[in-house]
Amino acid sequence: EPEVTQTPSHQVTQMGQEVILRCVPISNHLYFYWYRQILGQKVEFLVSFYNNEISEKSEIFDDQFSVERPDGSNFTLKIRSTKLEDSAMYFCASSVDSSARYGYTFGSGTRLTVV
Amino acid sequence: LAKTTQPISMDSYEGQEVNITCSHNNIATNDYITWYQQFPSQGPRFIIQGYKTKVTNEVASLFIPADRKSSTLSLPRVSLSDTAVYYCLVPNQAGTALIFGKGTTLSVSS
Repeated sequence: EPEVTQTPSHQVTQMGQEVILRCVPISNHLYFYWYRQILGQKVEFLVSFYNNEISEKSEIFDDQFSVERPDGSNFTLKIRSTKLEDSAMYFCASSVDSSARYGYTFGSGTRLTVV
Repeated sequence: LAKTTQPISMDSYEGQEVNITCSHNNIATNDYITWYQQFPSQGPRFIIQGYKTKVTNEVASLFIPADRKSSTLSLPRVSLSDTAVYYCLVPNQAGTALIFGKGTTLSVSS
């Protein structure tokens, strides 16, 4: 079964440092997403991405965040200057179409700890 | 703002059928209803999706009444490994993302 792959699985960084979280979506999927989940809380939508553009972003996705599809396989989330409150699980997802007709496939996540 | 409402928690015993109902009063005409399962420290996993009436797969059934304002996920004969958080999702208003609510924490005991 095709998978969404995320690296690294764990990342510890110092406050103020830049981090890049990486994702390899399913190869024939065209729509990509980032979500985050603070420990003990619900999964929160960050951003959706299609055709090399952001389709939608939440209020969480401020100027500290950016996304990029640098090549034909990777999809990255960059946090420019990390804050303690950025500590969370970050999930990448991909889908065949924008309607979520066939659901999203989520990766296993990257646990980001900001110290 | 999440467009779905579910019970916060449910308890069950092994071998029982569990039904989790979700309300989505403002569902759009073209929206599908999707259910996910999440174990601690893992990504959400797709369970089932439907538009109307009944959908069944190897792990669950989904019942959607004619008005589509609610849906019920049915898990037959649950086991301890079904202990997880279950989310009912519909797309956001723009149709560009699935939005999670707080989900239902299902606890299965022996």
